[in-house]
Amino acid sequence: KNQVEQSPQSLIILEGKNCTLQCNYTVSPFSNLRWYKQDTGRGPVSLTIMTFSENTKSNGRYTATLDADTKQSSLHITASQLSDSASYICVVSDRGSTLGRLYFGRGTQLTVWP
Amino acid sequence: EADIYQTPRYLVIGTGKKITLECSQTMGHDKMYWYQQDPGMELHLIHYSYGVNSTEKGDLSSESTVSRIRTEHFPLTLESARPSHTSQYLCASSESDPGQGKETQYFGPGTRLLVL
Repeated sequence: KNQVEQSPQSLIILEGKNCTLQCNYTVSPFSNLRWYKQDTGRGPVSLTIMTFSENTKSNGRYTATLDADTKQSSLHITASQLSDSASYICVVSDRGSTLGRLYFGRGTQLTVWP
Repeated sequence: EADIYQTPRYLVIGTGKKITLECSQTMGHDKMYWYQQDPGMELHLIHYSYGVNSTEKGDLSSESTVSRIRTEHFPLTLESARPSHTSQYLCASSESDPGQGKETQYFGPGTRLLVL
């Protein structure tokens, strides 16, 4: 069964600290993996996208890594800011259909405290 | 910031009422989607469209219906709302895959629906 599992479910860190969010998936065949940031009451916004051949992708203070062999990805946030408080969603796309179906994780709820 | 809009942002309505959730995008995207998301849960695809006059049901069974008469507009309708329809509804759009497997969906702000 194609699934996307994220950990931890929630995380609280102090402003200025770093953190790493995890994503494990069983989606096959694999096309790409995205990390989205979803602020409370808003729609998700894409942070990074990686295909099979890409191991790492950065977007400012966000760095995503992908290990396609172990089917794991991580999102590292450096020098966290209060505005980083949000849900971070891992999304994996397959190549099994013309739709390029997306499998969503439940997200990690990150709270940054001052 | 993506140019995709949803109205209303919040809606409280009684059981049995007919409602239409609006979604519009100004990016000229062919593909549009409707997702349902409950608090702390993953997004579930309920409808999608590849273009004008094309609509398909998604993975999650839904009593809602959609239409795609214009490229930029993808409304979702519930003929008779029930408390079980209470949820957040997210609309998204994407351009046709540029061929590199990096198609990105752009999401609207969502509509939070409460059916009493």
